[in-house]
Amino acid sequence: DTEVTQTPKHLVMGMTNKKSLKCEQHMGHRAMYWYKQKAKKPPELMFVYSYEKLSINESVPSRFSPECPNSSLLNLHLHALQPEDSALYLCASSHGVFNQPQHFGDGTRLSIL
Amino acid sequence: QKEVEQNSGPLSVPEGAIASLNCTYSDRVSQSFFWYRQYSGKSPELIMSIYSNGDKEDGRFTAQLNKASQYVSLLIRDSQPSDSATYLCAVNRGEGSGNTPLVFGKGTRLSVIA
Repeated sequence: DTEVTQTPKHLVMGMTNKKSLKCEQHMGHRAMYWYKQKAKKPPELMFVYSYEKLSINESVPSRFSPECPNSSLLNLHLHALQPEDSALYLCASSHGVFNQPQHFGDGTRLSIL
Repeated sequence: QKEVEQNSGPLSVPEGAIASLNCTYSDRVSQSFFWYRQYSGKSPELIMSIYSNGDKEDGRFTAQLNKASQYVSLLIRDSQPSDSATYLCAVNRGEGSGNTPLVFGKGTRLSVIA
């Protein structure tokens, strides 16, 4: 078990569906991240929130829409995804963006039909 | 040149031996360095952080950093089959880099043979 909680653990959705991934941390961290990880590859950064403001968007397609409602919560809204978007989606948090270790949640395994 | 390089392995060591995992990085201004362990199908787990030159020990794990050589390593003593996993080296370039804050290597797959 980790201190970063992600739900759901598994998600299967069609290409026309809309769904959301959720992430919660209660460590007082002020930076939160979304990563995408494909099999046998390292995590690939998607978004960074610092003090609830989007600070980095790594040119992610608009079918992925992040939201940070408060300092403990991070959502990733999904719409019109493609089969190649099937992956493990990881949420992480840290005290600050720079020079701080990031702590990962268990991830959401996403499959697009 | 890749920013963070690791040998992909697999690195096979017998149970009880020392496993040595290596990582080099290209950005000389990098300031903090992390090792993550990732079991197949699971998320990365932070096992070591190191910020200054020298060695840092935590249980069976020792991280070594040499900023002049731009080299960081992880030693696992008394390796156990449960240590079999992919080990990811991650480098944080510090504020002002303007880029992805944490850069991962591709990971080294370690296999400890009983």
